Amino acid sequence: AQTVTQSQPEMSVQEAETVTLSCTYDTSESDYYLFWYKQPPSRQMILVIRQEAYKQQNATENRFSVNFQKAAKSFSLKISDSQLGDAAMYFCAYIRGGSNYKLTFGKGTLLTVNP
Amino acid sequence: NAGVTQTPKFQVLKTGQSMTLQCAQDMNHEYMSWYRQDPGMGLRLIHYSVGAGITDQGEVPNGYNVSRSTTEDFPLRLLSAAPSQTSVYFCASSHDRSGVNTEAFFGQGTRLTVV
Repeated sequence: AQTVTQSQPEMSVQEAETVTLSCTYDTSESDYYLFWYKQPPSRQMILVIRQEAYKQQNATENRFSVNFQKAAKSFSLKISDSQLGDAAMYFCAYIRGGSNYKLTFGKGTLLTVNP
Repeated sequence: NAGVTQTPKFQVLKTGQSMTLQCAQDMNHEYMSWYRQDPGMGLRLIHYSVGAGITDQGEVPNGYNVSRSTTEDFPLRLLSAAPSQTSVYFCASSHDRSGVNTEAFFGQGTRLTVV
């Protein structure tokens, strides 16, 4: 079974600084997708960024970027120029390609942004 | 466009009571899922559906029942509530057929307390 591990239960960063959240996963599949979701105090799950396993180029969305190391099965999220609104729980998630939609989530990392 | 709508947002049940959590999406998505979120556990898949009339079990299905009579609706039934079912429940939907576009859209969650 696939597993997703987030080894940092909590992280903190100063406003305007950069922070990296770690995620590793275990799979024997070659076709899969990885995601980072943000959950602010409102509880809403918001997709931050997506990476297709077949793409070598790391995904980027404005201040958010990933470091996808396929061989190492690592998928870290870098947040640049951190803002107070980035404070949230962040979940790493995995889905096997063609799996009819079954996401496997990590346990989450709570990010605090200090002014 | 409402997206994924869950009702109610909060609910308190007594042990042994039954209830239905409602989920509706207006995006004509094929795939719908139910997750539960517990502290330190991330989100875990309860049941999912790949289309009207088709459902299957996820990681933690015991004590829950689902049906999918229409594309839009995917209710989750608690048959006889137990304190262990105290959790936050999320409904999600997505359109993907081929695994290319696997973004999941989440409802705002239902916080359920069983006393």
